[in-house]
Amino acid sequence: GAVVSQHPSWVICKSGTSVKIECRSLDFQATTMFWYRQFPKQSLMLMATSNEGSKATYEQGVEKDKFLINHASLTLSTLTVTSAHPEDSSFYICSASSGRGGGHEQFFGPGTRLTVL
Amino acid sequence: RKEVEQDPGPFNVPEGATVAFNCTYSNSASQSFFWYRQDCRKEPKLLMSVYSSGNEDGRFTAQLNRASQYISLLIRDSKLSDSATYLCVVNAGNAGKSTFGDGTTLTVKP
Repeated sequence: GAVVSQHPSWVICKSGTSVKIECRSLDFQATTMFWYRQFPKQSLMLMATSNEGSKATYEQGVEKDKFLINHASLTLSTLTVTSAHPEDSSFYICSASSGRGGGHEQFFGPGTRLTVL
Repeated sequence: RKEVEQDPGPFNVPEGATVAFNCTYSNSASQSFFWYRQDCRKEPKLLMSVYSSGNEDGRFTAQLNRASQYISLLIRDSKLSDSATYLCVVNAGNAGKSTFGDGTTLTVKP
């Protein structure tokens, strides 16, 4: 299957700092990328959907000014957690799809574990 | 009510057992259905898509019942390596986003 990478795989930061997470599709062009958050023993919660070249669509309850998403190219999307706080500590996972609309398989990155002290 | 609901689990079964997971979804307009597998502290990986006619991949069989808005996954001859959390995923089609169930944890014991 297609390969999606994420960087960094884990990060520890102080409260109030900003953290950028990169998501790359390595061998295909990702028309759509998704960002999820997963707390321990819970399922993935979709944060936002981004299509290349357009603004991300955020899910209800997700602050777009806090979680900045940029999908500047067909192979790269970034999520920036601004002014991170301990409650933002979570496992952030991106996925990429080669098609717009539904029914396309999503390929997941390995995830980034964020710990905010 | 959640959009996608799964058996709460956990399922603890011996090697060689047959185990079935159920999943229901609330959006009747849903178009695509998948089962993903997630190992502890890892990303989800696609196990199989689910088609209206039902489909089989080795020891795994997936069924879809659109009338009842119900999806199932059957695992035969369980292996130790099948131990994982199984996620039911439903896609409504229009916006391309998928909704994940909370997952069912399976532990296969020797």
